[in-house]
Amino acid sequence: EPEVTQTPSHQVTQMGQEVILRCVPISNHLYFYWYRQILGQKVEFLVSFYNNEISEKSEIFDDQFSVERPDGSNFTLKIRSTKLEDSAMYFCASSEMGYTAQYFGPGTRLLVL
Amino acid sequence: KQEVTQIPAALSVPEGENLVLNCSFTDSAIYNLQWFRQDPGKGLTSLLLIQSSQREQTSGRLNASLDKSSGRSTLYIAASQPGDSATYLCAVNKDDKIIFGKGTRLHILP
Repeated sequence: EPEVTQTPSHQVTQMGQEVILRCVPISNHLYFYWYRQILGQKVEFLVSFYNNEISEKSEIFDDQFSVERPDGSNFTLKIRSTKLEDSAMYFCASSEMGYTAQYFGPGTRLLVL
Repeated sequence: KQEVTQIPAALSVPEGENLVLNCSFTDSAIYNLQWFRQDPGKGLTSLLLIQSSQREQTSGRLNASLDKSSGRSTLYIAASQPGDSATYLCAVNKDDKIIFGKGTRLHILP
């Protein structure tokens, strides 16, 4: 069964460093998403991406964040200058259409020191 | 602003019992509602999706209902097993994003 994959599974970085989280969505899906979950808190929406542009973003997704689909298979989330409060589990998801089921990857656990 | 609430926050039941998890949402204009399962430190597994035009969906021992007008959904788990122990998340989809509840942490006692 097709699944969303994410790399790396864990990343430790120093405050102020740039990180890039990578995702490979399910191949026939057209919508891509990033969510995050701070330890012990609810899963929060960050951004949705369709047709090579952002279709929706939350207040969390400020100028420090960016997303890109550099080729036909990868979808990336970049954090330009990480802060301590960026430490969280980051989930990538994809769906065929905006109103269909979203399928989540296993997540990248980011720790900012 | 859409808010999703799940009750109870935690639940412990003996193995074999049937149980109901509740979810409520404030804005009924949704595309669909999804129930997910999350094991500790792990990702999200989609269990059931109910489109806004549907009333319920079933998968094995799981049954989810949706009453969009009242902003409520329930997840019914029949004949619970220890392997069902996990956090169950309710999530509503609108405008290309999912809004999650905080989840119900379920513990099935052997």
